[in-house]
Amino acid sequence: GAGVSQTPSNKVTEKGKYVELRCDPISGHTALYWYRQSLGQGPEFLIYFQGTGAADDSGLPNDRFFAVRPEGSVSTLKIQRTERGDSAVYLCASSLGTSFPLHFGNGTRLTVT
Amino acid sequence: GDSVTQMEGPVTLSEEAFLTINCTYTATGYPSLFWYVQYPGEGLQLLLKATKADDKGSNKGFEATYRKETTSFHLEKGSVQVSDSAVYFCALGANFGNEKLTFGTGTRLTIIP
Repeated sequence: GAGVSQTPSNKVTEKGKYVELRCDPISGHTALYWYRQSLGQGPEFLIYFQGTGAADDSGLPNDRFFAVRPEGSVSTLKIQRTERGDSAVYLCASSLGTSFPLHFGNGTRLTVT
Repeated sequence: GDSVTQMEGPVTLSEEAFLTINCTYTATGYPSLFWYVQYPGEGLQLLLKATKADDKGSNKGFEATYRKETTSFHLEKGSVQVSDSAVYFCALGANFGNEKLTFGTGTRLTIIP
């Protein structure tokens, strides 16, 4: 079956621009997670959703970052006024619930020039 | 806060060698512990997990035992194969679940025939 799909796979943008990263979770998975992985580091938690609501957004680095999941399925991570330090691979994962294994997508590689 | 310290790589071994990748953690409460693996060109996937002290997680010939007294969760395999070449991440999850995983920096393993 289809896994977690993230689009685009690569995104290059200029400093100061706005970007949206999309995640299509596995059908039926109620929990959805966003992580960020910088070069040479492990994934770093950003936010997770249970259904439509953000259950924990404590990992979002500042108010330039925002994520939505309006219908409890697809999620969009939005970054305003991008900075070079935002360059990383953004990973999305989904699971049947928080006690079930996470299924990760292949990520979106964001490069801010 | 919670943290995971993982053996730095890269690690290169010959086929059929014994593998150990060290992982230690710092956490409050009773975390769950995980090993995730990322094969070339693929997303992160759960390899094994343990949810309480002295539990042993195992999968695909890999094992790790949750040692509370030494705050460790070392990954072992008795005889590695070329197909085990990947990046391995140790992680912990607070509150028994997956809501917010803290990852180590990853260890790149290469197995040569």
